[in-house]
Amino acid sequence: DTGVSQNPRHKITKRGQNVTFRCDPISEHNRLYWYRQTLGQGPEFLTYFQNEAQLEKSRLLSDRFSAERPKGSFSTLEIQRTEQGDSAMYLCASSLRAGLHHEQYFGPGTRLTVT
Amino acid sequence: QQQVKQSPQSLIVQKGGISIINCAYENTAFDYFPWYQQFPGKGPALLIAIRPDVSEKKEGRFTISFNKSAKQFSLHIMDSQPGDSATYFCAASMTNDYKLSFGAGTTVTVRA
Repeated sequence: DTGVSQNPRHKITKRGQNVTFRCDPISEHNRLYWYRQTLGQGPEFLTYFQNEAQLEKSRLLSDRFSAERPKGSFSTLEIQRTEQGDSAMYLCASSLRAGLHHEQYFGPGTRLTVT
Repeated sequence: QQQVKQSPQSLIVQKGGISIINCAYENTAFDYFPWYQQFPGKGPALLIAIRPDVSEKKEGRFTISFNKSAKQFSLHIMDSQPGDSATYFCAASMTNDYKLSFGAGTTVTVRA
């Protein structure tokens, strides 16, 4: 499968615990994005990387959230001291920077449930 | 503050009918407008996209109509099939700021 992959697909955690999600983009894509989607809503932008550089973070990304993309390949999103409001689908997308090329391809997401 | 407004929230169409979903935006700097299809438990899949230099784009049974002066665009699903039953999201982004701003989604149900 050459698409975007995300692990784990589901995560149930207790409030206050830390969680980490992984995203593997399409291999030749140099841009990687994280979005969050709550039930009945469209995805909301969290942050994005060009290669290993994190270029923008949304105000939605509180200081409990951190994202990395070492060596410009896979990315991790960590949430510290989880809260019930963090329960959502966390989506990763990747795209190829080529001129005005914007097309973002999404992974299947990680469903986080905080109890 | 939602930058892209989408309607209706849901619609039901008979097999073979036409589904129409509308979106409106305010930011005139937006220059890329994709539509995504999402099935339950899956990530959004890119369906079709348009740039403001064209007024219409067709791919198979899916057509985007774009009205730059009205700052509106719409998705038409022709000859709707039960397999088209999904949630559809419009989105927008701009050059040099590639993050997507999504609408709230439209759940389409195609009755056989």
